[in-house]
Amino acid sequence: KQEVTQIPAALSVPEGENLVLNCSFTDSAIYNLQWFRQDPGKGLTSLLLIQSSQREQTSGRLNASLDKSSGRSTLYIAASQPGDSATYLCAVRSGVQGAQKLVFGQGTRLTINP
Amino acid sequence: NAGVTQTPKFRVLKTGQSMTLLCAQDMNHEYMYWYRQDPGMGLRLIHYSVGEGTTAKGEVPDGYNVSRLKKQNFLLGLESAAPSQTSVYFCASSYSRVDEQYFGPGTRLTVT
Repeated sequence: KQEVTQIPAALSVPEGENLVLNCSFTDSAIYNLQWFRQDPGKGLTSLLLIQSSQREQTSGRLNASLDKSSGRSTLYIAASQPGDSATYLCAVRSGVQGAQKLVFGQGTRLTINP
Repeated sequence: NAGVTQTPKFRVLKTGQSMTLLCAQDMNHEYMYWYRQDPGMGLRLIHYSVGEGTTAKGEVPDGYNVSRLKKQNFLLGLESAAPSQTSVYFCASSYSRVDEQYFGPGTRLTVT
């Protein structure tokens, strides 16, 4: 059974710092991995999608990497801003054909202090 | 282009009552999903659909039913609500099984 873990559960850093959020998964047979952002009381916003054949994806100040063999992904946020404060979730898509699903981690609650 | 919308945003039910949550998407996506989000449990898949007229069970389907009569709509029903179904419910959609999923704003349901 696929399990996704995100460490740390919470992170607080001063504005301007570069930071890395971690995601690990137990079964390396994944189709893709998706990073989301969730603001309090809101839905999930998709940030980046990495297919299993890719090593990384970039969008603005965000860079996500994927190492399938070690079961790890990282989300790098450059020059953090207070507006980046949110919970970040990673999710992996895995399972047999016709029964695939997204399995979510518990998230990392990020606070950027001005 | 509204993306994924959900109605209602909030609802309070008494134990045993029934209700239907509506999800609509205007992106012509084939796949649609219903999740619930609970503290300490993360997001869990309830049911999903791979196209109009199809439905399938997810991780936690008991106590819920779904229907996909139109491609753009995915309905989640609770026939007899229980306090254990107090949660935030999210709908999502994707073009295919390998494309990114887009989420709605959620419905906060409380069952007393």
